[in-house]
Amino acid sequence: AQSVTQLGSHVSVSEGALVLLRCNYSSSVPPYLFWYVQYPNQGLQLLLKYTSAATLVKGINGFEAEFKKSETSFHLTKPSAHMSDAAEYFCAVSDLSGTASKLTFGTGTRLQVTL
Amino acid sequence: NAGVTQTPKFRILKIGQSMTLQCTQDMNHNYMYWYRQDPGMGLKLIYYSVGAGITDKGEVPNGYNVSRSTTEDFPLRLELAAPSQTSVYFCASMTGAELGAYEQYFGPGTRLTVT
Repeated sequence: AQSVTQLGSHVSVSEGALVLLRCNYSSSVPPYLFWYVQYPNQGLQLLLKYTSAATLVKGINGFEAEFKKSETSFHLTKPSAHMSDAAEYFCAVSDLSGTASKLTFGTGTRLQVTL
Repeated sequence: NAGVTQTPKFRILKIGQSMTLQCTQDMNHNYMYWYRQDPGMGLKLIYYSVGAGITDKGEVPNGYNVSRSTTEDFPLRLELAAPSQTSVYFCASMTGAELGAYEQYFGPGTRLTVT
């Protein structure tokens, strides 16, 4: 079975500082990996996805993530945090077995951005 | 396009009552999913469907039922509500054209409290 581990349930950064949210995955086959963002009282929105093309993936709102097979990681970064980035972020891996593409989510990281 | 819509937004149920959470998508997606989100636990898959008339259990199906009579609708039924079903419920859909590579689109969620 595939799984995802997100290190750090809460991360706090200053506005303008680097954002780094960690995600490690476990998969017996090449995975498809996703980062979703959830703003308060809203559903999840896709930030970016890795589907075995380029290992450095750029997403919306200035976020990017790098797929590192040797480290089984897919960390999310943004060079300069903005107050509007405060949200919960979920890493997910796609289960390609069976007839449907099912996502396994990490437990989430809440990002706080301070002045 | 409205995307994925869910009703109601909020609901309080008494123990033992039943209710149906509605989910509709207007993107002609074949795949639809129901998740529950509990604090600190990420999202857990309840049921999913790969097309009208076809449904299957996810990770946490006990206490729930689904049906899929049309491509657009995927209602989730709670027959005998229990406090353990207090959660936020999200519906999602996906095209399914390339399994695993396409994003799931999420509705805004239904916040359910069982007392």
